[in-house]
Amino acid sequence: GAVVSQHPSWVICKSGTSVKIECRSLDFQATTMFWYRQFPKQSLMLMATSNEGSKATYEQGVEKDKFLINHASLTLSTLTVTSAHPEDSSFYICSAILGIDEQYFGPGTRLTVT
Amino acid sequence: GQNIDQPTEMTATEGAIVQINCTYQTSGFNGLFWYQQHAGEAPTFLSYNVLDGLEEKGRFSSFLSRSKGYSYLLLKELQMKDSASYLCAVRDPGGGFKTIFGAGTRLFVKA
Repeated sequence: GAVVSQHPSWVICKSGTSVKIECRSLDFQATTMFWYRQFPKQSLMLMATSNEGSKATYEQGVEKDKFLINHASLTLSTLTVTSAHPEDSSFYICSAILGIDEQYFGPGTRLTVT
Repeated sequence: GQNIDQPTEMTATEGAIVQINCTYQTSGFNGLFWYQQHAGEAPTFLSYNVLDGLEEKGRFSSFLSRSKGYSYLLLKELQMKDSASYLCAVRDPGGGFKTIFGAGTRLFVKA
């Protein structure tokens, strides 16, 4: 099956700093990628839809100035958490769409803000 | 808006059969997914139903009734490795590929 990678797999940063997470589709091109956030024992919450070559579409309640998304190529989307705070600590997962019904998830990035 | 309901937790015995239910209320319908997620890992695709009926895939089967807004995931011959969260997800009827996830059902398989 298709492979989606994320980097880094985990990161620890200090409060107030910014962190960039990369999501790559390794063997296919993805015009659409999604970013999710998952808190412990909870389900995935969609944060935003990342569209190649255009602005991301954010879900209600997600601050676009805090969570910057860039989808500069058909195989790469990045999520930057700006001025991170401890409440931003979470598991961030990206996914990429292949075809019409196949959504492939990255392995996730564990962010801890101290 | 959309609402997706599934039980929080279930426990079953190794070798048995378990059915995980999911009900949804949406303004439209464009497909329903089931995913398996082990702790600390990303979800993996199990099934996709867009038409009514039962889809069987090895030990896993998924059923959909669009008129009732209801789906279930059936796991047969349970194995210890099936202990995981099972996520019911509905594709946003507004178009595109956006998927809305339910809270997930944590399944514990005991010996």
